Amino acid sequence: QLQLQESGPGLVKPSETLSLTCTVSGGSISSSSYYWGWIRQRLGKRLEWIGYIYYSGSTYYNPSLKSRLTMSLDTSKNQFSLRVRSVTAADTAVYYCARSDLYEYYFDYWGQGALVTVSS
Amino acid sequence: QSALTQPASVSGSPGQSITISCTGTSSDIQTYNHVSWYQQHPGKAPKVIIYDARKRPSGISNRFSGSKSGNTASLTISRLQAEDEADYYCCSYAGSGTWVFGGGTKVTVL
Repeated sequence: QLQLQESGPGLVKPSETLSLTCTVSGGSISSSSYYWGWIRQRLGKRLEWIGYIYYSGSTYYNPSLKSRLTMSLDTSKNQFSLRVRSVTAADTAVYYCARSDLYEYYFDYWGQGALVTVSS
Repeated sequence: QSALTQPASVSGSPGQSITISCTGTSSDIQTYNHVSWYQQHPGKAPKVIIYDARKRPSGISNRFSGSKSGNTASLTISRLQAEDEADYYCCSYAGSGTWVFGGGTKVTVL
């Protein structure tokens, strides 16, 4: 059974960089069949697609966040990561990592979510 | 890239059917059939219940059905049950590898 688990600091200061890692177990992120993505949910509840990365390293980002984002893979640890630069209070949210099938076009496995608060 | 539009809340009595709409644009729902719906209970991660507008993943009850017409997708929950009380989100592929979600609809079982 595939499992995803987010990890990272729960508190980040304004203007600094938010960093999260998603550890995948029960499957390989090196598979050519899937995208590995990030979705966030601010406390007002709306889900927001952040972006995803393919095993080749190709990335696709939300245009509204693109200038502040970096996603990467660490195949040796079966992990993928998200970095958001220059954060503000508006970046406070629960961050989910998720898997999307290359051909089925939906997010089938999700992590439990990690709350990140931006505050001084 | 604007969020898809959903009603904030929908309610129904046990045994009834309810329908949640999801309105997009020519850049997303109208152009692509890749509309998915997610159910989210409090404190839990979203769970897919419909994909490609009308397909159900394995293990999802046939009380959940989806449809699409023009720039609007719909989710119908038949024979409403107490366990269906949750938030529901639509999501559409928007081209160039991007996705957009709806604002979410809270379903209340009266």
